[in-house]
Parts: sequence; structure tokens; C-alpha cells
Amino acid sequence: GDSVTQMEGPVTLSEEAFLTINCTYTATGYPSLFWYVQYPGEGLQLLLKATKADDKGSNKGFEATYRKETTSFHLEKGSVQVSDSAVYFCALGTSGGSYIPTFGRGTSLIVHP
Amino acid sequence: EAGVVQSPRYKIIEKKQPVAFWCNPISGHNTLYWYRQNLGQGPELLIRYENEEAVDDSQLPKDRFSAERLKGVDSTLKIQPAELGDSAVYLCASSPRPQGRQETQYFGPGTRLLVL
Repeated sequence: GDSVTQMEGPVTLSEEAFLTINCTYTATGYPSLFWYVQYPGEGLQLLLKATKADDKGSNKGFEATYRKETTSFHLEKGSVQVSDSAVYFCALGTSGGSYIPTFGRGTSLIVHP
Repeated sequence: EAGVVQSPRYKIIEKKQPVAFWCNPISGHNTLYWYRQNLGQGPELLIRYENEEAVDDSQLPKDRFSAERLKGVDSTLKIQPAELGDSAVYLCASSPRPQGRQETQYFGPGTRLLVL
């Protein structure tokens, strides 16, 4: 079945540091890839997505590139802020008769001033 | 535009008791999802509705879980009887169109259930 593997957290950084959160996937079909973010006390919300190989999703300074050859969708940001502290979920969606969106277990990011 | 609304936000019950969660999706969203999120894990799909039809419930434990979306708008998820292992956050999400690989889901804040 489909699966998503994220790097273990928490990731702890100082403000303005560079961020990478690794995500790799296995899928039986041709997936779309997503990053969702969950701020404390709130629901998950879409951060960015990419629907085909080599696409780059971007939002709020975050970027991720769909790499089919390495089955990866790593999240990056050049300079993190304290307000980026949250849990980040990598997810995939595939077409097909039985659609089950698949999420990773989440990576907690803590940014210190 | 109002987001996905869920209630209650928190629920504490004793094992073997029934419990119900309610979800009102974003207006006009035809697709509705219920997920369970265990501590330290990502959401796991329980059931997906297209309008009032349950189109994917293969991961719903049907011996104790049930769900309905009678008029294709709001939805209720029920557990009867609850077990200790049901303690989790129950998330509702919606999307505007029939589910396809590109669709973005909009999540509610979740209901945190603790079974004692």
C-alpha cells in the first residue's frame, strides 16, 4: 500500500536558520504530494502541493520539489521564524477506485528566538 | 468564509459508554472525511463521503463505529461502545469537489477524545 515517511522530530532551530524536513513516499499510482501544517490548537491546513514530477510547490517562503526519481518531497525554508513553530505533515493522494489519502506521522518544528 | 466546524472540542468518557462527534463542512463542499489521529501519528482515514454516499469506509471499524451524512451536509461519527484504545483526536475535513488526486482538504480543529 501507499506510505509516507518523514524525519523524526522535534526539529529545533534558531530564528533565521535554514530548514529541511525530509519526506519520502511509496505509491502504487502516480501521486500528488502535499505538505500540511498544524499550528498549536488549530486544524491541519494546506501549506503547499505539487501534482507532477519536477513541480515545485511554494508558499510563505516554504518550498518543496516533487522528485520522482528519488520518491521524495522534502520541505525547505531559507530562514525560519518563531511563528513557523508547528507540526508539519507530508501527505500523498493517488487516483484510483479506492482513494485513501496517506499522511506521514508529522514532524514537530520548534524555532527559538 | 467559515471553516470546518467540529463539536465538541474535547470529550472525556468511561469505557463502554457511547460518544458522538459532529462536523459541519465548509458550505458547498461535497466531499467530507473523518480521520482518527493517534498521539504522535498522522491522520488515518476512517470514512469518506461524496454528498450523502459513503464511498470509502474500508478502514472504519464497523463493529463499534458508525457514521452518517443524511442530507449531504453535516455529519455525525459515533462510537458505541468506546474502548480505551479509541482515545485519539477525531478530525473532520472537507473538499469542494469529488475526491481526486489533486484535491486539497480543509480540516476542522478536531475533537480530542479520552476514554477512561
